[in-house]
Amino acid sequence: GAVVSQHPSRVICKSGTSVKIECRSLDFQATTMFWYRQFPKQSLMLMATSNEGSKATYEQGVEKDKFLINHASLTLSTLTVTSAHPEDSSFYICGTVGPSGNTIYFGEGSWLTVV
Amino acid sequence: KQEVTQIPAALSVPEGENLVLNCSFTDSAIYNLQWFRQDPGKGLTSLLLIQSSQREQTSGRLNASLDKSSGRSTLYIAASQPGDSATYLCAVIIQGSARQLTFGSGTQLTVLP
Repeated sequence: GAVVSQHPSRVICKSGTSVKIECRSLDFQATTMFWYRQFPKQSLMLMATSNEGSKATYEQGVEKDKFLINHASLTLSTLTVTSAHPEDSSFYICGTVGPSGNTIYFGEGSWLTVV
Repeated sequence: KQEVTQIPAALSVPEGENLVLNCSFTDSAIYNLQWFRQDPGKGLTSLLLIQSSQREQTSGRLNASLDKSSGRSTLYIAASQPGDSATYLCAVIIQGSARQLTFGSGTQLTVLP
């Protein structure tokens, strides 16, 4: 199946700093990337949908100025959590539509802890 | 707005038992439904995908069914093993969408040796 690589897998940052999470499609072109967030013992909630070369579409309640998404190429999408706060601590995971157009493939996820 | 519900939230069974996980969704206009497995602290592994025109899919000891008209899907696991212990998530893609998945809250399965 399609491979999506996400980095870093775990990151700890100080409150007020910014953190960038990268998501790469390794063997196909990812026109669209989805970014999800998962709080402990909760399900995955869609944050935003990014399309290569255009602005991301954010879900209601997600601050676009705080969660900056860049999808500058067909193999790389990044999520930057700006001015991170402890309440931003969560599991962030990216996913993209595979070559068949049906299955969604996910990265390994990134655990963010803001102290 | 599509809502996906999974019952039960947690399930504990002895090794060797057959079990069924349930998923329901409110809007039957789906493109497809996927079942995922999530191990603690890890990402998602796709288990089975059922297109809206299909009734079921099988992979090894797993069988997923879909009844779109009633908004239900089940994941059947045969002869459960301790290695099956994980959280199982179902998710749907709405027709006409950009392929975003709407997830259920998951069923945490523990298979006791």
